[in-house]
Amino acid sequence: DAKTTQPTSMDCAEGRAANLPCNHSTISGNEYVYWYRQIHSQGPQYIIHGLKNNETNEMASLIITEDRKSSTLILPHATLRDTAVYYCIVRLEGNDMRFGAGTRLTVKP
Amino acid sequence: DAMVIQNPRYQVTQFGKPVTLSCSQTLNHNVMYWYQQKSSQAPKLLFHYYDKDFNNEADTPDNFQSRRPNTSFCFLDIRSPGLGDAAMYLCATSRGGGETQYFGPGTRLLVL
Repeated sequence: DAKTTQPTSMDCAEGRAANLPCNHSTISGNEYVYWYRQIHSQGPQYIIHGLKNNETNEMASLIITEDRKSSTLILPHATLRDTAVYYCIVRLEGNDMRFGAGTRLTVKP
Repeated sequence: DAMVIQNPRYQVTQFGKPVTLSCSQTLNHNVMYWYQQKSSQAPKLLFHYYDKDFNNEADTPDNFQSRRPNTSFCFLDIRSPGLGDAAMYLCATSRGGGETQYFGPGTRLLVL
């Protein structure tokens, strides 16, 4: 599976959009991009995933660049409860997940 | 609600004393995973069961074993816990290999 690179930490003001970037320049054509988050002392929570097209669900939007070498997770209106570590994971369908270091997002009042 | 349950949430054991952590699921998923997460680190996959087929990660120590007596339950056995095994242990399930995984709340293990 391709390696991902994420910023170590980010801050976001409450009520504003949080845009979390992820670089995956070695991604192959059939590898998916997954996003999970982990709130302190809880298990990771699935957010969203995609292959080529942008995706949106009730939690977030996933924007994947046309060359698929990077993606952005967007939380449209961040709340204090969105403070967590966000993991971007790239993997082939059928493969196990490999977590990287993730981005620690802090939403501030 | 369908979910992944881990008990207990906190477990204290003594150095060298065997300990078992449990996970159950009401999702009827085929695959159950165990991850270890040490402080300030990302979760690391230990092994998983696809139905009754056990798949061990190459770097998982022999000290860690697992049992899956039925679809709903999966256990993590640590035969002789060392101080370095203190961590959060996470159970996850998925419908099939490579499908979205759903995690339980974790069991935090303390080794004295």
